[in-house]
Amino acid sequence: AQSVTQPDIHITVSEGASLELRCNYSYGATPYLFWYVQSPGQGLQLLLKYFSGDTLVQGIKGFEAEFKRSQSSFNLRKPSVHWSDAAEYFCAAEGENDMRFGAGTRLTVKP
Amino acid sequence: EAEVAQSPRYKITEKSQAVAFWCDPISGHATLYWYRQILGQGPELLVQFQDESVVDDSQLPKDRFSAERLKGVDSTLKIQPAELGDSAMYLCASSIPSGGYSYEQYFGPGTRLTVT
Repeated sequence: AQSVTQPDIHITVSEGASLELRCNYSYGATPYLFWYVQSPGQGLQLLLKYFSGDTLVQGIKGFEAEFKRSQSSFNLRKPSVHWSDAAEYFCAAEGENDMRFGAGTRLTVKP
Repeated sequence: EAEVAQSPRYKITEKSQAVAFWCDPISGHATLYWYRQILGQGPELLVQFQDESVVDDSQLPKDRFSAERLKGVDSTLKIQPAELGDSAMYLCASSIPSGGYSYEQYFGPGTRLTVT
């Protein structure tokens, strides 16, 4: 069955530290891949997306993600976290007429 | 900047009552999605429309949930009767589809439903 897995339920990092959020997918063919961010009580905002081509994609707010076909992964990174990055982050994968989301990783930023 | 509109933002209802949510997608977006997001989980698709037609409603509990998009623009999701387990965030999203792919979905702010 097709699925998206985010292994980390909750991550805490210090402000200014680097961040990596993990995402693995299981699909028959390589899906389109997305990272969304959700602030409390709000909808989802797209950070970045990967369809094809360069495996390192740049997004908004200083985020980037790297697609690794051999590992079926699409990890999100940021070199220096800001307090305003505290939120819930969702990885998503899209096959034909089939969009699935991971369970999310909640990011806490320590001062 | 165009946005997906949803109303109400918050709804408290008693179990066995009827409740309805409204969504207005971005103008020109042919595909509209309704998701349910239980606290601590990712969104799960309930129903997908292409214009006024249902593309996928396989996860919609049809004994109590219904959705319509009569003119292919705005949409209403209804629950009747509501149950305690329906407490969740209901998200609407829209996209310009191509070949079965959304390429990017734009989400509204959601409706937070609490059933007491």
